[in-house]
Amino acid sequence: AQSVTQLGSHVSVSEGALVLLRCNYSSSVPPYLFWYVQYPNQGLQLLLKYTSAATLVKGINGFEAEFKKSETSFHLTKPSAHMSDAAEYFCAVSERSGAGSYQLTFGKGTKLSVIP
Amino acid sequence: GAGVSQSPRYKVAKRGQDVALRCDPISGHVSLFWYQQALGQGPEFLTYFQNEAQLDKSGLPSDRFFAERPEGSVSTLKIQRTQQEDSAVYLCASSLGGPLTGELFFGEGSRLTVL
Repeated sequence: AQSVTQLGSHVSVSEGALVLLRCNYSSSVPPYLFWYVQYPNQGLQLLLKYTSAATLVKGINGFEAEFKKSETSFHLTKPSAHMSDAAEYFCAVSERSGAGSYQLTFGKGTKLSVIP
Repeated sequence: GAGVSQSPRYKVAKRGQDVALRCDPISGHVSLFWYQQALGQGPEFLTYFQNEAQLDKSGLPSDRFFAERPEGSVSTLKIQRTQQEDSAVYLCASSLGGPLTGELFFGEGSRLTVL
């Protein structure tokens, strides 16, 4: 089974600074990878996904992520943080469940705070 | 509404009580998923429906958990004889296609507290 590791349960950045949220997965097979965001009192929302096309994936709100097979990583970045980016971010990977269907396995999440 | 709707948003149950959580997916979405999110953890898969068929229930933690989607739209997650370890946020998601695409639309969740 795969696992998803998000380094840092809480990350703080200053407004305008680079945002870097780390995600590593364990797999010998290139997976489908996703980043979801959860704003306060809202449901999870898909930010971007990697499905074996371009390794650099662009998502909504200026976020992007790069798939690096050699490092088994899929880190999320944004050049300049905005106050509205404060939320919890989840990395996820698709993998076969116990019954054989593909389902999402999520990391534990990283809470991003943006300091004015 | 345009999004996935879940009710109740908050539920407090005494240990041993039965609870039912409802999910109203986006109209026309074939796939429906239930996830459990414990405090400080990411969502964990419980079960998956394609229309009315429950194709995968491998994530249900015990036989006290039961889910149905009889007409292929609204779904109910039932937990019998609730235990304290069942306290969590239960998330429902729907998608137009199958789970591999990963583009799931989530509801706001039902927060269950078992005393």
